[in-house]
Amino acid sequence: DSGVTQTPKHLITATGQRVTLRCSPRSGDLSVYWYQQSLDQGLQFLIQYYNGEERAKGNILERFSAQQFPDLHSELNLSSLELGDSALYFCASSASGLAVLGGDTGELFFGEGSRLTVL
Amino acid sequence: LAKTTQPISMDSYEGQEVNITCSHNNIATNDYITWYQQFPSQGPRFIIQGYKTKVTNEVASLFIPADRKSSTLSLPRVSLSDTAVYYCLVGDDYGQNFVFGPGTRLSVLP
Repeated sequence: DSGVTQTPKHLITATGQRVTLRCSPRSGDLSVYWYQQSLDQGLQFLIQYYNGEERAKGNILERFSAQQFPDLHSELNLSSLELGDSALYFCASSASGLAVLGGDTGELFFGEGSRLTVL
Repeated sequence: LAKTTQPISMDSYEGQEVNITCSHNNIATNDYITWYQQFPSQGPRFIIQGYKTKVTNEVASLFIPADRKSSTLSLPRVSLSDTAVYYCLVGDDYGQNFVFGPGTRLSVLP
């Protein structure tokens, strides 16, 4: 158990709809990361938040948005869903989002993922 | 930004030592090297991290030559349960140590 909680575990919806995925990071972790992994594909980095602020952005579509709340949990909103959005969405957290050489490794702790199926 | 190159796939047999090499020719002074393991339908899991020379933990060893342009993850005596995708990440405090490449798909055969 990584300590990162993602809900829902599974979600089936139709094209054009909007869904929200939720992530609770490990206790005390300030950074949250979102990834998308399509079938047999690599992990696509979407976005990182650190203590409520967006820190880094990857290949996140404009139809997707995310935020991190004061209690540090994060939500990923996916709208105008398309068939190609079907994927596993992972959330990860790390202590600081910074890795001090010789200290915090910046290790990412991943949740079990939310499997989204768009029909 | 340091970019990494790994073999797409590797096969091994149970009980053998497996070495997966990652090339990162443009590694910067402040960059360190991190390896993760991912099983199907699970999130990646941290294996090991290093900056230079050799690092060993209960799971693996990481060899980094003096020029740091490559690194080798060594898995001793693999078992079927080591079948997974292995990712090499390179980055510093401020970036890319969370960006995953395609990884190396290791298949351990009986």
